[in-house]
Amino acid sequence: QSVLTQPPSLSAAPGQKVTISCSGSSSNIGNYYVSWYQKVPGTAPKLLIYDNNERPSGIPDRFSGSKSGTSATLGITGLQTGDEADYYCGTWDSSLSARVFGGGTKLTVL
Amino acid sequence: QVQLVESGGGVAQPGRSLRLSCAASGFTFSNYGMHWVRQAPDKGLEGVAIISYDGTTKYYLDSLKGRFTISRDNSKNTLFLQIHSLRAEDTAVYYCARGPGFCSRGSCYEDYWGQGTLVTVSS
Repeated sequence: QSVLTQPPSLSAAPGQKVTISCSGSSSNIGNYYVSWYQKVPGTAPKLLIYDNNERPSGIPDRFSGSKSGTSATLGITGLQTGDEADYYCGTWDSSLSARVFGGGTKLTVL
Repeated sequence: QVQLVESGGGVAQPGRSLRLSCAASGFTFSNYGMHWVRQAPDKGLEGVAIISYDGTTKYYLDSLKGRFTISRDNSKNTLFLQIHSLRAEDTAVYYCARGPGFCSRGSCYEDYWGQGTLVTVSS
C-alpha cells in the first residue's frame, strides 16, 4: 500500500478536463510540497509540477497543481490522446524520512 | 543539456550483490542532491534512496536499510547504488534522478531522470 492515495484509473474524452487527486497525511502532504509526474510505459518519468503548483519550463499550462491541507490535485485541461499515461504524485514523509509516491493513476483518453 | 545515464543492471542471482552507476553531465553535479527511484514490473514508483550534494546526508526507504547503499563521487560526476543480498522483489527498473530541492526542508522532487537500468533477480 502506498503512503499517498491516488485513484487507480480515470478516463475522459479529448478536449475535456480531468483532475487527479492525491491524499496523504500531516507527515507528508500536510507539511511538504507536492510534485507530479507523467510516466509513459518504457520511458522515464517526466516532471509536470513541483512545489505544489510550479511548472518546469516546457510544460504547457494545460497542466496545473494545487494543494489543500493533506490533499493535492493535478488538473489537465484540453485533454489530448498524447496525455494517456500513468500519473504519480510525490512528496517527502517526515515520519518515514523517505521520498514517497502515490500508487499512480492510469489516465485513458478515449 | 542535462544527461543522466545509468548502467550496471542485468540478471543476478538471489543473494548476490550488484552496483549500479549513474553518469551525470550537463550540470554541476556537486551542487545537487541525487535520488534513486525504482519501478517493479506492473507496479508504481518507489523512492529508494537520496544523497545530499556533498554526500554527507543519506536517506533510505526503511525496508531497504542495511542492504542498499547510496554514494557519489563528485570528482567523477557519478552516483552509485550498491545492492547487497539481492531478492526477487528487487527486480525493477532503477532510475537515477537529479533532486534540486532539500527534501527534509520541504521541497522534494526530481527534475531530470535517466533512462533507467533493469535489474532482474533470478536463479
